[in-house]
Amino acid sequence: EVQLLESGGGLVQPGGSLRLSCAASGFTFSSYAMSWVRQAPGKGLVWVSTISGSGGDTYYADSVKGRFTISRDNPKNTLYLQMNSLGAEDTALYYCAKSPNYQRTPYYFDYWGQGTLVTVSS
Amino acid sequence: EIVLTQSPGTLSLSPGERATLSCRASQSVSSSYLAWYQQKPGQAPRLLLYGASSRATGIPDRFSGSGSGTDFTLTISRLEPEDFAVYYCQQYGSSPATFGQGTKVEIK
Repeated sequence: EVQLLESGGGLVQPGGSLRLSCAASGFTFSSYAMSWVRQAPGKGLVWVSTISGSGGDTYYADSVKGRFTISRDNPKNTLYLQMNSLGAEDTALYYCAKSPNYQRTPYYFDYWGQGTLVTVSS
Repeated sequence: EIVLTQSPGTLSLSPGERATLSCRASQSVSSSYLAWYQQKPGQAPRLLLYGASSRATGIPDRFSGSGSGTDFTLTISRLEPEDFAVYYCQQYGSSPATFGQGTKVEIK
């Protein structure tokens, strides 16, 4: 059974940093592209970033480019999102999501975690 | 980027009725690379359909999708109590991937 478990969310001041993690199990982690998708409170879904199965290719939404860094540790089956220079507009539930392919992006998401909440406020 | 507009915003129906949800793209979605998701309150999205009309694993056949180009439709043939939720479309034919704003299917 595919499981994705996010962690690392919390309250952070504007301009601060946070690192999200997503622990994956139930599939061969290194064989699939992984992504972060966020959802502001009461709002819709927004793609944030994708990383290929090897970790060699990364993609970002314009709104986070230069501030966020996606990475993965395949031996540890873990996906990360380093978030810097956070602003109120980054407040959202951040979902880790798996794609059913190795590299092609964009793609759809066949499994999602339950999300971790990031709140940016002073 | 491709903007997806879903309509209606809210659909009020009774169990057993047919639901028809629309997703219109601002430009053609290549290769019908369109997916549909269901999201219930407090839960993560669940993949229903991909490639406009292919059902994901475990999805009942009362869910069907159609369309191409700029106009896509999700149909739920007979609503079950567990189908009342918010539905999102997503295009993945062009970067960046984008989602519609959602259609809420509520109990009438």
